[in-house]
Amino acid sequence: QKEVEQDPGPLSVPEGAIVSLNCTYSNSAFQYFMWYRQYSRKGPELLMYTYSSGNKEDGRFTAQVDKSSKYISLFIRDSQPSDSATYLCAPNNAGNMLTFGGGTRLMVKP
Amino acid sequence: DTAVSQTPKYLVTQMGNDKSIKCEQNLGHDTMYWYKQDSKKFLKIMFSYNNKELIINETVPNRFSPKSPDKAHLNLHINSLELGDSAVYFCASSQETGYNGYTFGSGTRLTVV
Repeated sequence: QKEVEQDPGPLSVPEGAIVSLNCTYSNSAFQYFMWYRQYSRKGPELLMYTYSSGNKEDGRFTAQVDKSSKYISLFIRDSQPSDSATYLCAPNNAGNMLTFGGGTRLMVKP
Repeated sequence: DTAVSQTPKYLVTQMGNDKSIKCEQNLGHDTMYWYKQDSKKFLKIMFSYNNKELIINETVPNRFSPKSPDKAHLNLHINSLELGDSAVYFCASSQETGYNGYTFGSGTRLTVV
């Protein structure tokens, strides 16, 4: 079992849809949970960052962490074609190198 | 002004050659990294380096070696290139290891023929 797992997709949705991206992990010691967005032929960029369980909202994006089930979600409201990218989750401990999931490719169609 | 810059952006070379990829960050970060992204988009850590400690992923062949002339630079040297080394290599930096997230460069697409 990989340490961090994501469905690779692609996930195709119409513009305006609510998108749910999910990630599972195996290391119960992870405390920091990050989502990166990677556009084609670009480097990943940090999208959201949460600590421990709970929700965090930033504009159209909401990150949700359930440590009891080792499950991380990213919700995108009113999805736009510019949201089309690969989304990588990265649960982590402070002091350790980031371990990434394989990413989920999202396509938002106009 | 690019925060983490890598050169070259593309690199095509023959098997058996030795090549280097350069990375520079102007963020004042303490730690730099090299990641390899394969054709399935899986990002895998290769090295982590600050001025005190080099951490090597044990799965990385010793043909790969990081070299840091100073805190702002971490170059990647690859000896005796193999077909399986073809991938996109990303340099990244952070203020503290993993805490505030990483800033990535735009990648170097290496093709070994």
